[in-house]
Amino acid sequence: DAKTTQPTSMDCAEGRAANLPCNHSTISGNEYVYWYRQIHSQGPQYIIHGLKNNETNEMASLIITEDRKSSTLILPHATLRDTAVYYCIVRGYNTDKLIFGTGTRLQVFP
Amino acid sequence: GAGVSQSPSNKVTEKGKDVELRCDPISGHTALYWYRQSLGQGLEFLIYFQGNSAPDKSGLPSDRFSAERTGGSVSTLTIQRTQQEDSAVYLCASSLGSERGRGYGYTFGSGTRLTVV
Repeated sequence: DAKTTQPTSMDCAEGRAANLPCNHSTISGNEYVYWYRQIHSQGPQYIIHGLKNNETNEMASLIITEDRKSSTLILPHATLRDTAVYYCIVRGYNTDKLIFGTGTRLQVFP
Repeated sequence: GAGVSQSPSNKVTEKGKDVELRCDPISGHTALYWYRQSLGQGLEFLIYFQGNSAPDKSGLPSDRFSAERTGGSVSTLTIQRTQQEDSAVYLCASSLGSERGRGYGYTFGSGTRLTVV
């Protein structure tokens, strides 16, 4: 599975958009990009995933560059409850297994 | 139930004892996964089951760890002769598995916090 690189930590003001970047320069054409988050002391929570096209759901938007070497998770209006560790993961085509990295610790402040 | 259920939520055991951790996945989910998370660390993959296929055991750290999934539903993770370094939160997740490569998101349980003293 392709390796991902994320910033260790980020801050965001409440009500503003949080844009979390992820680099996955070795991704292959049939590998999906997944995003999860883990709020303190809870199990990880699925957010969104995509292959080529941008995706949007009730939680977030996922923007994948045309060359697929990077992506950005967008939380349009961050709240204090969005403070968590956000994991960007590339999943291999022939497996359901997800290998979690160290993620980005997002701190939303008032 | 609506979510993934794990039991017990907390377990304290003495070094050298065996422990069993249980996971009830979401009904109809064909894939089941075990991870562990040590204090302040990321998630470490342990094992995953997909339907009737042989499980992917590539993440099990030693032969003291084993897991089974009975009837394609409930799973038990067993740790024999526990050591202090086994102390962690053990997380189970389930999903619908992959369809033509697309895959589905996992739903995680709340975990079992294992403390070996």
